[in-house]
Amino acid sequence: KAGVTQTPRYLIKTRGQQVTLSCSPISGHRSVSWYQQTPGQGLQFLFEYFSETQRNKGNFPGRFSGRQFSNSRSEMNVSTLELGDSALYLCASSFSQGAGEQYFGPGTRLTVT
Amino acid sequence: GENVEQHPSTLSVQEGDSAVIKCTYSDSASNYFPWYKQELGKGPQLIIDIRSNVGEKKDQRIAVTLNKTAKHFSLHITETQPEDSAVYFCAADAGSARQLTFGSGTQLTVLP
Repeated sequence: KAGVTQTPRYLIKTRGQQVTLSCSPISGHRSVSWYQQTPGQGLQFLFEYFSETQRNKGNFPGRFSGRQFSNSRSEMNVSTLELGDSALYLCASSFSQGAGEQYFGPGTRLTVT
Repeated sequence: GENVEQHPSTLSVQEGDSAVIKCTYSDSASNYFPWYKQELGKGPQLIIDIRSNVGEKKDQRIAVTLNKTAKHFSLHITETQPEDSAVYFCAADAGSARQLTFGSGTQLTVLP
């Protein structure tokens, strides 16, 4: 079974721009969660989608948003990029809601200059 | 909210020795505790997990123990090999919504 895929793998953007990242979960998985990983803050939860609805949101500003499509694929968007948004953005998929196994993709490395 | 503390931040062991990484959590509602291994340039890989109704779980050379009363859980790797070198993260999930809270990570180096 194919794993979680994320595109693009690398991105370089300029401050003030916006960016959209994509995540395709493992086939059959309906829950997609997004995390930000930085050397200073570690792995932090952004939001989780299940059946096209945002079920939970972490402590990030409204510039960070996401959505999920009927095929469970998910996108996250960051508007008005800041230097501090440079990070590895990870997507994780799981079969259902509730505590249980989450499987991560390879991440998208975003660099804001 | 949940807070997970992980120790040590770095750990070096000789090949063949055992490695132990410890985590504590704050939210007594947490009921799922996974461990992830992250190699350079890759996403975290789930290596073992444990639920709050179980005290210990083992999978070949790795094992996890959970003490709910003390709110701590540990990862044990026996007979370490160079390919075990990576960053290991513990996490906790309260289950009310799928939101893992991660520890700060342990850089494990296995010396040949």
